[in-house]
Amino acid sequence: DQQVKQNSPSLSVQEGRISILNCDYTNSMFDYFLWYKKYPAEGPTFLISISSIKDKNEDGRFTVFLNKSAKHLSLHIVPSQPGDSAVYFCAASAPPLVFGKGTRLSVIA
Amino acid sequence: DSGVTQTPKHLITATGQRVTLRCSPRSGDLSVYWYQQSLDQGLQFLIQYYNGEERAKGNILERFSAQQFPDLHSELNLSSLELGDSALYFCASSADYLSYEQYFGPGTRLTVT
Repeated sequence: DQQVKQNSPSLSVQEGRISILNCDYTNSMFDYFLWYKKYPAEGPTFLISISSIKDKNEDGRFTVFLNKSAKHLSLHIVPSQPGDSAVYFCAASAPPLVFGKGTRLSVIA
Repeated sequence: DSGVTQTPKHLITATGQRVTLRCSPRSGDLSVYWYQQSLDQGLQFLIQYYNGEERAKGNILERFSAQQFPDLHSELNLSSLELGDSALYFCASSADYLSYEQYFGPGTRLTVT
């Protein structure tokens, strides 16, 4: 029973364009959502988060949107850069953290 | 560099054996978390310790156990190993037991043959 789902295993985007990564969840008790980025041979790194009382949080090129009624969140990266190529994990907290399976983003120069 | 260290980086062992994975949290962090990432899976939460005490438990098998020592480092013990235990094991730390933002170590890759 996957409580956090990232339905796209991979995504390819041109450099300079927008990358949109999606995440769906089922547990309405989740009160905090996070995105982590992972490069090969490294541990995940915290990227951005959002509380369930907000619908948007922005940090530089990264924006997370939360739609509680749809139980959906998304991460927007604008503009995308080759260094953004990594696996992105969506996570939700009740706590503890529940992670999705990840989406591999490839930004093509 | 997250400040979280894990040893060893790689471990190859046989079925039925027992191994110990070690984690040192970031300086000042009191909480340690253990996660398992199997092939094509997300990170599965195993267990959390806070200041030496077990704080939360996830889908951790009875063959697995953990502890956090007075110096706050933690060890994850995996026994009676099976092929399916082959995975990446991550340790993470945070300042307190309710911190949502966790800092991950580089992981230990366990291969059971």
